[in-house]
Amino acid sequence: QKEVEQNSGPLSVPEGAIASLNCTYSDRGSQSFFWYRQYSGKSPELIMFIYSNGDKEDGRFTAQLNKASQYVSLLIRDSQPSDSATYLCAVNTGGFKTIFGAGTRLFVKA
Amino acid sequence: NAGVTQTPKFQVLKTGQSMTLQCAQDMNHNSMYWYRQDPGMGLRLIYYSASEGTTDKGEVPNGYNVSRLNKREFSLRLESAAPSQTSVYFCASSETGRNEKLFFGSGTQLSVL
Repeated sequence: QKEVEQNSGPLSVPEGAIASLNCTYSDRGSQSFFWYRQYSGKSPELIMFIYSNGDKEDGRFTAQLNKASQYVSLLIRDSQPSDSATYLCAVNTGGFKTIFGAGTRLFVKA
Repeated sequence: NAGVTQTPKFQVLKTGQSMTLQCAQDMNHNSMYWYRQDPGMGLRLIYYSASEGTTDKGEVPNGYNVSRLNKREFSLRLESAAPSQTSVYFCASSETGRNEKLFFGSGTQLSVL
């Protein structure tokens, strides 16, 4: 059974701080890695994707991938109350099936 | 630009009733998916359609059927609803399918009593 594991949280950070969200996956053949943001009662929305080892930055978001450790992370710099949501880590092994983690709830305190 | 549109948004069924969830996308995507989301669990794939004319089982297909009506539309049918099918259902689409980013509809909250 292919798995994607996330700490459910909640992770609470003060406004302006860096939020660090982590994810591990079990399938070494995984090829693509995604972070989705889901506000309460809403649908998931893609915010970052990464295919290669290393860091990828987009605005306040940085995705980090370490395939040797089977580890993906998302850093949110200058966290805002509007970043409060559940963040879903998702992994694809090259086919049509994307496996999702259960998500980490993030609270940013004003 | 509507993206992925799902109907209905809410539905209450009695055990044994049937219903069809509708999904349409206007992004000219080839692949479409149905996921369910339960508390404390990640999104789980029910069925997917890699391209028009094809459908395949995902992780949790039992109790469901799908139809890829055309490139735009992908429906999910519950033939005899069970309380275990109480969930939030999301339709999604992607451009080509493999390794691709998913675009989700707004979801259907389904309760089976």
